[in-house]
Amino acid sequence: EAGVTQFPSHSVIEKGQTVTLRCDPISGHDNLYWYRRVMGKEIKFLLHFVKESKQDESGMPNNRFLAERTGGTYSTLKVQPAELEDSGVYFCASSQDPRLDTQYFGPGTRLTVL
Amino acid sequence: SQELEQSPQSLIVQEGKNLTINCTSSKTLYGLYWYKQKYGEGLIFLMMLQKGGEEKSHEKITAKLDEKKQQSSLHITASQPSHAGIYLCGADRDSNYQLIWGAGTKLIIKP
Repeated sequence: EAGVTQFPSHSVIEKGQTVTLRCDPISGHDNLYWYRRVMGKEIKFLLHFVKESKQDESGMPNNRFLAERTGGTYSTLKVQPAELEDSGVYFCASSQDPRLDTQYFGPGTRLTVL
Repeated sequence: SQELEQSPQSLIVQEGKNLTINCTSSKTLYGLYWYKQKYGEGLIFLMMLQKGGEEKSHEKITAKLDEKKQQSSLHITASQPSHAGIYLCGADRDSNYQLIWGAGTKLIIKP
């Protein structure tokens, strides 16, 4: 069974540009999560989708970040315009049932904003 | 301040020796997870602990959760090179299943 995949694995952009990260969850997983890890710090929650609906977006840092999950399958996270402090590793995770199942993480996308 | 305090930040251990990594919260947790990350790979789930006093083992790794569900330890017996990596503890802070994480412990095994 394929795991959670993320694309790209690494992105380097200039401040002010736009970047879109993609996450493909494990097939059949209704729950999809985005996390961010700034270098040297702990991973922080960004938001949680249940199918195509945003269950919890309390971790989204500001309105420069937009997450979508049209059709309840893959998800995208757009950063527009990117700032230096957005650099870090963005993880996506999915789970079938948050009450019973652990979250399975993707390999992450390393974003570098110059 | 971090909601999950993980210690130590890094650890260098001679192959064959035992080691322990700790994860502490100031609040009672709903669930505690241990993950391992190798460079360039996704986080690998190790164990989940949900009940106070629970202990689980897999191969040479044992994880425990205290009765108050505020502290967990991960113990590796007779460490091997394959154990090297970054160990992360994560926890469900509340019933909304929002994960919180420790800062990670980088484990290096010396041959």
